[in-house]
Amino acid sequence: EPEVTQTPSHQVTQMGQEVILRCVPISNHLYFYWYRQILGQKVEFLVSFYNNEISEKSEIFDDQFSVERPDGSNFTLKIRSTKLEDSAMYFCASSSAPSEQYFGPGTRLTVT
Amino acid sequence: RKEVEQDPGPFNVPEGATVAFNCTYSNSASQSFFWYRQDCRKEPKLLMSVYSSGNEDGRFTAQLNRASQYISLLIRDSKLSDSATYLCVVVNAGNNRKLIWGLGTSLAVNP
Repeated sequence: EPEVTQTPSHQVTQMGQEVILRCVPISNHLYFYWYRQILGQKVEFLVSFYNNEISEKSEIFDDQFSVERPDGSNFTLKIRSTKLEDSAMYFCASSSAPSEQYFGPGTRLTVT
Repeated sequence: RKEVEQDPGPFNVPEGATVAFNCTYSNSASQSFFWYRQDCRKEPKLLMSVYSSGNEDGRFTAQLNRASQYISLLIRDSKLSDSATYLCVVVNAGNNRKLIWGLGTSLAVNP
C-alpha cells in the first residue's frame, strides 16, 4: 500500500539554525500539506500546496517558513531560523483530491 | 465557539463495551467530515469518512447531523487495540479543503 514518507524521523537543531524537513507524498497525489503538533496539543494546519504553489497558509506559517517541491517526488518544509517554540512533530500529508488526506509518520523537531 | 469541539475524555471502558464520541462544529458550510485515529506520538490515520446518511465499517459507525452540527462515532465490542485518541476533522468549503481538527477524545480500553 503506498504511503507518505518523511525524513528525518528526528531532527535536533540549535536555535537560529535552518532546518529542512523532507516528505515524499504518495506518487499520484496532487495536494500536499504540512501540519505540526506540539506535544500534548492538537494538530495545527500550516500550509497547503497545489499545482506548484501555496493554496493556503495559516498564521503560524510566517516568513520563517517556506515550502518547495524541488522535483517530481519531494515536498520540503524549510524553517529559516528556528525558535524554541518550533519544537513539535511536523506531519506531511497528501491527497489525490481535496478530501481524505494521508499522513506521513512525522519528523520530531527539537530546537535547543 | 471553537471550530471543532470534542470532549477530551479520557474514556475508560472495559473490553467489549460500546462507546460513543460526539463532536460539534461551528461552520454550517462545512462540507466533509472524518474521524482520524492517533496513537501516542504517531501520525493521525484516517479511520473513516462520515456521510450524511451515516455509515458503518465493521464495529465502527459514524453519523452526521447537519442541523445540529454534530458528528458521532460509535465503537461496538471495543478491543484493547482501540485505545487511542480519536480526532474529529471537518473540512470547510474552498479549493484547498483545509482540515480543521478537534483536540481529540482519548479512549482507554481495559482488560
